[in-house]
Amino acid sequence: QSALTQPPSASGSPGQSVTISCTGISSDVGGYNFVSWYQKHPGKAPKLLIYEVNKRPSGVPDRFSGSKSGNTASLTVSGLQTEDEADYYCSSNVGSRSLVFGGGTKLTVL
Amino acid sequence: EVLLVESGGGLVKPGGSLSLSCAASGFTLSGYTMNWVRQAPGKGLEWVSTITSDSAFMYYADSVRGRFIVSRDNAENSLYLDMYSLRAEDTAVYFCARGKLLADFDYWGQGTLVTVSS
Repeated sequence: QSALTQPPSASGSPGQSVTISCTGISSDVGGYNFVSWYQKHPGKAPKLLIYEVNKRPSGVPDRFSGSKSGNTASLTVSGLQTEDEADYYCSSNVGSRSLVFGGGTKLTVL
Repeated sequence: EVLLVESGGGLVKPGGSLSLSCAASGFTLSGYTMNWVRQAPGKGLEWVSTITSDSAFMYYADSVRGRFIVSRDNAENSLYLDMYSLRAEDTAVYFCARGKLLADFDYWGQGTLVTVSS
């Protein structure tokens, strides 16, 4: 159950777009469409942003979008806002018996 | 309003045991798979365990299998995590989360801190 690979950091200026990658293998990200993305502010509970690769829960702004190609999933945040500064985590099921998170990416809004 | 409130965290010595609870409200617990996720200080999120809505199936991360037991009482709207043979590396904030089986988790509690130290 190795963690999915995410860049430790990403940054962008307000109004810009930033994309965070999440790389796994064929038995997790590449084999299923159950990739999710979470936003976590320090001391707060994680918040679901994207599920099943590219679906947004009600209430999540459409500035957040997800995609997948092969073993790599991506989260794009468009029109960056200062409140988007947070840690972002991807997750994927690993077959039918476990789930794995990415190591997390700290997004800085410059 | 969906609400998940964890309790039971605290300081425990290595090799000790601790039981966590998660009180659910605002939805019918029996209709959902439930999960535990933890975050060690300065580290990322780590999936710990999942239990199906009817308790028919339980799943565990390799790091806790054989030491942790997940259970639930739908009538009491509660989720539990019994932790045994605790190690320093189990020190973390433990979150309960509602979600689909081994997929997305749509509601999370605020977490309870477990510290394993002598």
